Parts: sequence; C-alpha cells; structure tokens
Amino acid sequence: AQTVTQSQPEMSVQEAETVTLSCTYDTSESDYYLFWYKQPPSRQMILVIRQEAYKQQNATENRFSVNFQKAAKSFSLKISDSQLGDAAMYFCAYRSAVGGATNKLIFGTGTLLAVQP
Amino acid sequence: DGGITQSPKYLFRKEGQNVTLSCEQNLNHDAMYWYRQDPGQGLRLIYYSQIVNDFQKGDIAEGYSVSREKKESFPLTVTSAQKNPTAFYLCASSILGVHGYTFGSGTRLTVV
Repeated sequence: AQTVTQSQPEMSVQEAETVTLSCTYDTSESDYYLFWYKQPPSRQMILVIRQEAYKQQNATENRFSVNFQKAAKSFSLKISDSQLGDAAMYFCAYRSAVGGATNKLIFGTGTLLAVQP
Repeated sequence: DGGITQSPKYLFRKEGQNVTLSCEQNLNHDAMYWYRQDPGQGLRLIYYSQIVNDFQKGDIAEGYSVSREKKESFPLTVTSAQKNPTAFYLCASSILGVHGYTFGSGTRLTVV
C-alpha cells in the first residue's frame, strides 16, 4: 500500500523569506500524481500545486514550486516570498494513475506553517 | 456557482444516537469521498463512491454508513457503533481519472 510521510509537524518562516516543506512517499507504481493542499484556519482545503509523475519538469504556481525527485520518492514544496496569508496546515497527497485504480487520495499528516511578521 | 455544500457546519450528538452529515455537489463529478480529520493524523478515508448506487469502504469505515442514490448527494451516517466520533469531517468530489479533489467546507461533529 502507498504511504505519504511529512516529517515536519511544524515550521516557521519570516515574512518575505523562503521555506521548504518536505514530503516523502512510498509506492511501487510508476504512474501517479502528487499534490500539495493548503488548509487555512477556515479549514477549507485548497489545492496549491499538482505534479504528474511522468513529467520531469517541476511544477510551479506563482510563488509555489515543487522539487520532485522520483527516484528518491521525494516531493517538497517551496514557498517563496512568504506572506502572512500562507500560514496554514499543508498536506502532501498521492494518487495512483494506474489504469483501473480508484481516485483515492492518500494524505500525509500535515505540516503546520507559521509566518512571522 | 458550482461547488460542494456540507451541512451542518457544527453538529452535536448525544452518545448512542445516529447522525447524518449532508454532502451535495453540483459539479457533475462522478466520484465522491468522505474523510475524517483528527489532530496529528491527517485525513483518513472513510468511504468513497465512483458511481451512483455503488460505494466502497475506506480505511476507517467501521461505525459509519453511506448511500449514493443520486449523483449529486453522498450523505454519511455516523452510527452509535462509532466509538470516538468527535472529529472534523470533510466531503470531496472529483472527475474520475482526473487529478485532485474539490472539497466542501467540512462539518465539525462533537459528542456531548
């Protein structure tokens, strides 16, 4: 079975600085998707960024980018120019893309990011 | 606007009672999911459904039941058999074979 591990329960960053959140996963599959979700204090889950495993290029969305290392099964999230609104819980998630597989997302335990003014 | 609506936002249950959490979507998504969120444990899958009138158990289905009589609706019943039901419950939906989920805003269930 696939698992997702986030080893940093809490992180802190100064406003305008850069922070990297770590995520590792375990799978025997070669085709899959990886995601980062943000959960602010409102508890609404928001998709931050998505990466297809077959793509070598790292995904970017404005100030958010990932470092996808397929061989190492690592999927870190970098937040540049951190803003107060980035303070939230961040979840890493995995979904199989194997034919016939369900759409189930498997989540890590989350990293709580604090942004200091 | 399309989206997922969960109700109620807060729910209180007495021990021994069954309660039903509502989840409705107007996104025309095929698949729907229920997750439970506890501090320090991330999101754990309770049940999911990929088509109407069919659903599958997730990792923590004991003490829960669901139905999928309509594409738009996927209610979750927390039964008295669920020993520790106090948690935050999230409903989500997705298009089969495509990417991530759209989430509802959640229901906070408290046993009193």
